[in-house]
Amino acid sequence: DSGVTQTPKHLITATGQRVTLRCSPRSGDLSVYWYQQSLDQGLQFLIQYYNGEERAKGNILERFSAQQFPDLHSELNLSSLELGDSALYFCASSFTGTSGTGELFFGEGSRLTVL
Amino acid sequence: AQTVTQSQPEMSVQEAETVTLSCTYDTSENNYYLFWYKQPPSRQMILVIRQEAYKQQNATENRFSVNFQKAAKSFSLKISDSQLGDTAMYFCAFMKRGYNNNDMRFGAGTRLTVKP
Repeated sequence: DSGVTQTPKHLITATGQRVTLRCSPRSGDLSVYWYQQSLDQGLQFLIQYYNGEERAKGNILERFSAQQFPDLHSELNLSSLELGDSALYFCASSFTGTSGTGELFFGEGSRLTVL
Repeated sequence: AQTVTQSQPEMSVQEAETVTLSCTYDTSENNYYLFWYKQPPSRQMILVIRQEAYKQQNATENRFSVNFQKAAKSFSLKISDSQLGDTAMYFCAFMKRGYNNNDMRFGAGTRLTVKP
């Protein structure tokens, strides 16, 4: 158990819909990362938050948005869903800083299926 | 931008044998981490081993060890005495140290199959 909690674990929805994925980081971790993994692909970095502020942005579509709340949990919002958005979405957390280990601790992922 | 390249999409090894997975990376940074993550069929991402760039000594974790060549920007993973449970996708990853833009970048992965 990594200590990172993601909900829901599975989600099936239709094209054009909007979904929200939720992530609770490990206790004490200030940074949250979101990654997308399409079938048999590598992990594509979407976005990073540190203590509520956006710190890094990857190839995140304009239809996608995220935020980190004061209690440090994060949400990834996916709107106007397309078939190609079907993927496993990972949240990961870390203690970001020079004294940290750099390691990311991953949740079990949220599997999104768009029909 | 940092890039990570894994040139071996698939590999196989006999149980109890040794296998080496390759990884190269491109960066202008001097202070960073390198990682190998394992993703078994359960899809959970599991840290196998980590290396800090300032350390010349290669990291080892039980049957797993790395060959870190900083000048060549190479970071290979050696698995000794392979076990059936080692069957998984293996991802090499890079992360810059610091507070800003230190997201973790992954290679495309190597699918390793351990055969009985």
